[in-house]
Amino acid sequence: GAVVSQHPSRVICKSGTSVKIECRSLDFQATTMFWYRQFPKKSLMLMATSNEGSKATYEQGVEKDKFLINHASLTLSTLTVTSAHPEDSSFYICSARDLRDSPLHFGNGTRLTVT
Amino acid sequence: EDQVTQSPEALRLQEGESSSLNCSYTVSGLRGLFWYRQDPGKGPEFLFTLYSAGEEKEKERLKATLTKKESFLHITAPKPEDSATYLCAVQASGGADGLTFGKGTHLIIQP
Repeated sequence: GAVVSQHPSRVICKSGTSVKIECRSLDFQATTMFWYRQFPKKSLMLMATSNEGSKATYEQGVEKDKFLINHASLTLSTLTVTSAHPEDSSFYICSARDLRDSPLHFGNGTRLTVT
Repeated sequence: EDQVTQSPEALRLQEGESSSLNCSYTVSGLRGLFWYRQDPGKGPEFLFTLYSAGEEKEKERLKATLTKKESFLHITAPKPEDSATYLCAVQASGGADGLTFGKGTHLIIQP
């Protein structure tokens, strides 16, 4: 089955620094990947849609200059949290599908803690 | 705006005690309804996709059903390893490819 790998699984950084999270589709090519954010006891909230070779599409209320997304190849998308602050601490999860109408498969998430 | 509401928020069952989880949705044309299982600290794991009212899917102790307004995830004779948060999500037709999720039902199966 389709496997999505996300790295790192946990990261702790100091306020003001930037953090990069990688999302890879291991056994399929994904022209589109999705980045979600999850708060405790809350829904997964779609942050942005990452499109290979073009700009990401951000959901309303998501700062595109703070959450930089790059989808440089058909198997890799990265999310960079720039100038991180404690309120950016959260669980970030990426997902992808191999065919247009197939289900989304998720990575195991990245727990970001900003101190 | 697409909306997904799951109930109950939490459910505690004894091993072997069957029950159902509910997912109510409003969407501007349903392309698909998805059920996922999420363990603590992990990403969601895909369980089922349902596309049209009347459809049913089964996997081991789980069965998902779909009507025009809601979906049920039936759990028959659950075991402790079925403890997890179960998430429901919808994908709208004619729109973006992302999913809209409910908050989930936190299920605990006690031995």
